[in-house]
Amino acid sequence: GNSVTQMEGPVTLSEEAFLTINCTYTATGYPSLFWYVQYPGEGLQLLLKATKADDKGSNKGFEATYRKETTSFHLEKGSVQVSDSAVYFCALSDTGRRALTFGSGTRLQVQP
Amino acid sequence: DAGVIQSPRHEVTEMGQEVTLRCKPISGHNSLFWYRQTMMRGLELLIYFNNNVPIDDSGMPEDRFSAKMPNASFSTLKIQPSEPRDSAVYFCASSPRGPGELFFGEGSRLTVL
Repeated sequence: GNSVTQMEGPVTLSEEAFLTINCTYTATGYPSLFWYVQYPGEGLQLLLKATKADDKGSNKGFEATYRKETTSFHLEKGSVQVSDSAVYFCALSDTGRRALTFGSGTRLQVQP
Repeated sequence: DAGVIQSPRHEVTEMGQEVTLRCKPISGHNSLFWYRQTMMRGLELLIYFNNNVPIDDSGMPEDRFSAKMPNASFSTLKIQPSEPRDSAVYFCASSPRGPGELFFGEGSRLTVL
């Protein structure tokens, strides 16, 4: 079956530091890949997505590239801000199935 | 524009009681999902509907859980009888089309004593 593996958190960074959150997946076929963000007390929001190999999704300074050869979709940001503190979820959706399979989430804490 | 609306936001009940969670999806979205979030198990898909028809309910834990979608603008998730291990945040999400672009509600936090 499908699965998503994320790095364990929490990840604690100082403001303006570089962020990487690792995500790898197992799926049949050619899934679409997503990053969602959850701020405290809120539901998840779509951050970015990529639907085929070598696609790069980007939004709000965050980027992730769909790497089929390494089955990865790592999230990066060049300079984090305190307001980026949240839980980040990697997810996939395989062809023909609209429901998402989520990773366990990675909590990011950015200190001023 | 209104997002996905869930009620109640918080529910505290005693073991054995019936719990009903409600969801109004975004107008025009034809897929609706119920997820459960716990610290131990993360986000789990319980059930999803497409055009009001249940497509995949393999994540529903057991017969105590049931979900309905009587029309395109309303869905319920019912737990009867409730147990302490059902304590979690239950999220409803809807999707207009295509894979993965889910719009989540703010969740219903359930505590079963």
